[in-house]
Amino acid sequence: DAGVIQSPRHEVTEMGQEVTLRCKPISGHNSLFWYRQTMMRGLELLIYFNNNVPIDDSGMPEDRFSAKMPNASFSTLKIQPSEPRDSAVYFCASSPHRGRETQYFGPGTRLLVL
Amino acid sequence: AQSVTQLGSHVSVSEGALVLLRCNYSSSVPPYLFWYVQYPNQGLQLLLKYTSAATLVKGINGFEAEFKKSETSFHLTKPSAHMSDAAEYFCAVSDQSATGTASKLTFGTGTRLQVTL
Repeated sequence: DAGVIQSPRHEVTEMGQEVTLRCKPISGHNSLFWYRQTMMRGLELLIYFNNNVPIDDSGMPEDRFSAKMPNASFSTLKIQPSEPRDSAVYFCASSPHRGRETQYFGPGTRLLVL
Repeated sequence: AQSVTQLGSHVSVSEGALVLLRCNYSSSVPPYLFWYVQYPNQGLQLLLKYTSAATLVKGINGFEAEFKKSETSFHLTKPSAHMSDAAEYFCAVSDQSATGTASKLTFGTGTRLQVTL
């Protein structure tokens, strides 16, 4: 079975540019999570969705970040405009059903903003 | 609120030696606890999880963890380290989800395991 798919795997952009990260969760999973990983702050939950509806976006750092989940098989995380401090690895994870289920992680997108 | 503390950001063991990675948690509800492993340039992979059943949980790759409520601990162990175990390990606690929604995971800061010959 395919796991969580993320694209692109690597992204290099210049400050001020728009960046869009994409995620395809595991088929049948109802919940989707976006995380950011940096050396300084570790793993941070940015936002999560349940049945395509955003449940908690309290981790989104500022208005430059936005996330959407238009259907059960696709989500995007957008940064506009990007800044060097946004450089990090961004992970998407999905989990089945609801409750305290295991989260399955994608391989991540390594973002470098110059 | 939930939190996790991982003692020791770096642990080095010899191949064949015991691996012990420490995790202490704080939770306002009976916890669900997880250990994940992250190999270089990869995502996180579940090693094992505790869901209030047996206190000794066995996972993949020979790892196990014991839930000790009195010590609020969930330490990860492996009797004999292999070179392939070198990775970063994360302990996480799951909160109590609202009805019909998924739970959030709160991760520790991670422990990097080095295995030497």
